[in-house]
Amino acid sequence: EAQVTQNPRYLITVTGKKLTVTCSQNMNHEYMSWYRQDPGLGLRQIYYSMNVEVTDKGDVPEGYKVSRKEKRNFPLILESPSPNQTSLYFCASSFVTTRYNEQFFGPGTRLTVL
Amino acid sequence: SQQGEEDPQALSIQEGENATMNCSYKTSINNLQWYRQNSGRGLVHLILIRSNEREKHSGRLRVTLDTSKKSSSLLITASRAADTASYFCATDEGSYIPTFGRGTSLIVHP
Repeated sequence: EAQVTQNPRYLITVTGKKLTVTCSQNMNHEYMSWYRQDPGLGLRQIYYSMNVEVTDKGDVPEGYKVSRKEKRNFPLILESPSPNQTSLYFCASSFVTTRYNEQFFGPGTRLTVL
Repeated sequence: SQQGEEDPQALSIQEGENATMNCSYKTSINNLQWYRQNSGRGLVHLILIRSNEREKHSGRLRVTLDTSKKSSSLLITASRAADTASYFCATDEGSYIPTFGRGTSLIVHP
């Protein structure tokens, strides 16, 4: 089944404790992206990657890191989480083409930073 | 950065009524997409309309695109309580990757 998976789905942590949220897709998509969603603010893009070893900042990259060592994986790293990073996080992937760039979303990771 | 903006921000209707939501954007696009999000879940793609198309249908969904006005509308006919969700438009602004608006929250009362 074509899908984007994220782990963990729920995470409660404390300020300053490094964490990684994993994202994996099995559709051979070139493009992968991370979003955060907060009430009233819609989806805001954190980082994106157009292909392996190619990453770029989105609208709200501060406090986050990503890597793209393999095509299928795109982990999101919070080196020193803070309470303002409490949010709902989504990973998405798609092909890089103007004809078929429907994005597939993961189920979301709800992160709480105390 | 966000390009498409949905209107209204919130919509409340009775089951059986039609729901219309709009999306406006600023620059030229290759295509425009509509997505649906059930509360707390990932977005799901509903329909894509290309810049050279004016109208598209999928089941109870009807999407129109007016490139001269840089706007699109999503019509859900004969709405059901299960249609309660947030709806987002996404535009690609001439690049490969769509960017999302803030969404319209639709509540359908049984």
